Amino acid sequence: SQQGEEDPQALSIQEGENATMNCSYKTSINNLQWYRQNSGRGLVHLILIRSNEREKHSGRLRVTLDTSKKSSSLLITASRAADTASYFCATDGNAGNMLTFGGGTRLMVKP
Amino acid sequence: NAGVTQTPKFQVLKTGQSMTLQCAQDMNHNSMYWYRQDPGMGLRLIYYSASEGTTDKGEVPNGYNVSRLNKREFSLRLESAAPSQTSVYFCASSANRVPGEKLFFGSGTQLSVL
Repeated sequence: SQQGEEDPQALSIQEGENATMNCSYKTSINNLQWYRQNSGRGLVHLILIRSNEREKHSGRLRVTLDTSKKSSSLLITASRAADTASYFCATDGNAGNMLTFGGGTRLMVKP
Repeated sequence: NAGVTQTPKFQVLKTGQSMTLQCAQDMNHNSMYWYRQDPGMGLRLIYYSASEGTTDKGEVPNGYNVSRLNKREFSLRLESAAPSQTSVYFCASSANRVPGEKLFFGSGTQLSVL
């Protein structure tokens, strides 16, 4: 069963705009990670936020975590065509510390 | 530095045929994983190996077997392929299997079972 659910499932924006993706999860977590997947490729780790953190930045990425709402958001600022990809959240915190992935958000950035 | 290498990249099987997906990592990682990715379902864990010599079932292990051949290699075997196993398969590795470890993924194997 999926722990994380991303919203929206698909997002289309113009280059230069900001892109916001949301992730909701069901049970308590230790950490939440975001991954990017380019078409036909494997996932690449972007950023990790721990359960005791509320916000984290990495370059043009900003991740927030609200454990009271069991949700996280990924903001990509000043998007570029190269940001076109699928983005997945992944959580751990279950008994086996398995990393559980959501269904992903497909982002298209038009030049 | 190759990272995680999977072979083959594409495979077509007939129902009932068997095959083995190969995975190797060169990062000296202890933990390795097999996931399958289906449209709209995200990635689901099939099997994992926390360390050399150990393997454990994930969320969807039925119809699969694995072998941790050595620290570098972790293979996934389909003994009798079924159309429900049509999917994209990803191998991944991490330094250890502890909370917060990031995973490194291979580029995937697209498998079709007819």
